Amino acid sequence: DAGITQSPRHKVTETGTPVTLRCHQTENHRYMYWYRQDPGHGLRLIHYSYGVKDTDKGEVSDGYSVSRSKTEDFLLTLESATSSQTSVYFCAISESMALYSNQPQHFGDGTRLSIL
Amino acid sequence: LAKTTQPISMDSYEGQEVNITCSHNNIATNDYITWYQQFPSQGPRFIIQGYKTKVTNEVASLFIPADRKSSTLSLPRVSLSDTAVYYCLPTPGSARQLTFGSGTQLTVLP
Repeated sequence: DAGITQSPRHKVTETGTPVTLRCHQTENHRYMYWYRQDPGHGLRLIHYSYGVKDTDKGEVSDGYSVSRSKTEDFLLTLESATSSQTSVYFCAISESMALYSNQPQHFGDGTRLSIL
Repeated sequence: LAKTTQPISMDSYEGQEVNITCSHNNIATNDYITWYQQFPSQGPRFIIQGYKTKVTNEVASLFIPADRKSSTLSLPRVSLSDTAVYYCLPTPGSARQLTFGSGTQLTVLP
């Protein structure tokens, strides 16, 4: 399995507090992604990164920011958490962009975030 | 955007072959089709990928007709451990559209 570690694995917090989720990879892959998974919606892309300090928005980016200061780490921040952001968050990596290529994504085991 | 349509759920019995079809009517010329498997409390895991015709690996086969508007994942002789959600994902033309559908919940019964 690809070396992807998400932390924390579970978190409960209150509305209005800042939350940062971390994704750490040991594969030296260039591309990293953050998804959220909710019942009835499958996985939806929040943000992705195509290199250190290079990021772009996905389908559901409102209310989230990301940062990538090192190849191995991709952080997802909820500046002021809301109950609608209660979800399971998955990080993924790929060697090349998951567009126009046949390089699949490899996923971490997720972070379950509950915002009360 | 190559929006996908899959059955919400399927049931099968151990030892049977299972075929899950995904429709992707708007697939672009350069898109590949990738299938993932997801168990509860885990991230999706790559199963198989193809562009056209047939691809086979140690766990599954993928059939893609000439018009590429659909694809069929074939799991031979399923076991209880194949109970999972299966997603098909055409590689889209925009990263903002890299979205998995709701997938197909496969339940294998003894």
